[in-house]
Amino acid sequence: GQQVMQIPQYQHVQEGEDFTTYCNSSTTLSNIQWYKQRPGGHPVFLIQLVKSGEVKKQKRLTFQFGEAKKNSSLHITATQTTDVGTYFCAGPSGSARQLTFGSGTQLTVLP
Amino acid sequence: EAEVAQSPRYKITEKSQAVAFWCDPISGHATLYWYRQILGQGPELLVQFQDESVVDDSQLPKDRFSAERLKGVDSTLKIQPAELGDSAMYLCASSLTTGGQNNEQFFGPGTRLTVL
Repeated sequence: GQQVMQIPQYQHVQEGEDFTTYCNSSTTLSNIQWYKQRPGGHPVFLIQLVKSGEVKKQKRLTFQFGEAKKNSSLHITATQTTDVGTYFCAGPSGSARQLTFGSGTQLTVLP
Repeated sequence: EAEVAQSPRYKITEKSQAVAFWCDPISGHATLYWYRQILGQGPELLVQFQDESVVDDSQLPKDRFSAERLKGVDSTLKIQPAELGDSAMYLCASSLTTGGQNNEQFFGPGTRLTVL
């Protein structure tokens, strides 16, 4: 079945530093979604990318979908303590378009 | 703002007992999902409903787990009998559709299950 891998698993950064997490799928994706889960919370949808090579920005967050639609990245510029949490990518597969989530990157921001 | 409701928020049970979780999706959302999330991992889909029909339950351990969404609105997930390895967070999510636009998933707060 489809596998979605994320690296790194953990990342500690000093507040103000940049952060990037990478997502790789074993199969070509029709789209990719990103979610954020705060400690003790539930996943919250951030964005969906659909087109090959697509780049979308949300304030300090930049999301990119690879040309081959098998990888994606999330880059945060000048991290803040509010960015703390685990970031998951997820891609659809199967006839029911069920989402397969990556294992996530847990971001810690040190003040 | 509309939210996905889940209850209970926490459940402690002994192995071999039966447990049930309830989920009320956002009104109008046709697709409902049950996920299991083990600490440090991503959510794993257990079952997906489109209205009242199951469209995917390939990862549901059917010898002990069951799920229903009888009227195509709220849903229950049952485990009988519970095993130690079932300890996890059980998340419910809903979405308007599954394809194209409007398929972002909205998650509930989850039920934290501990099996002793």
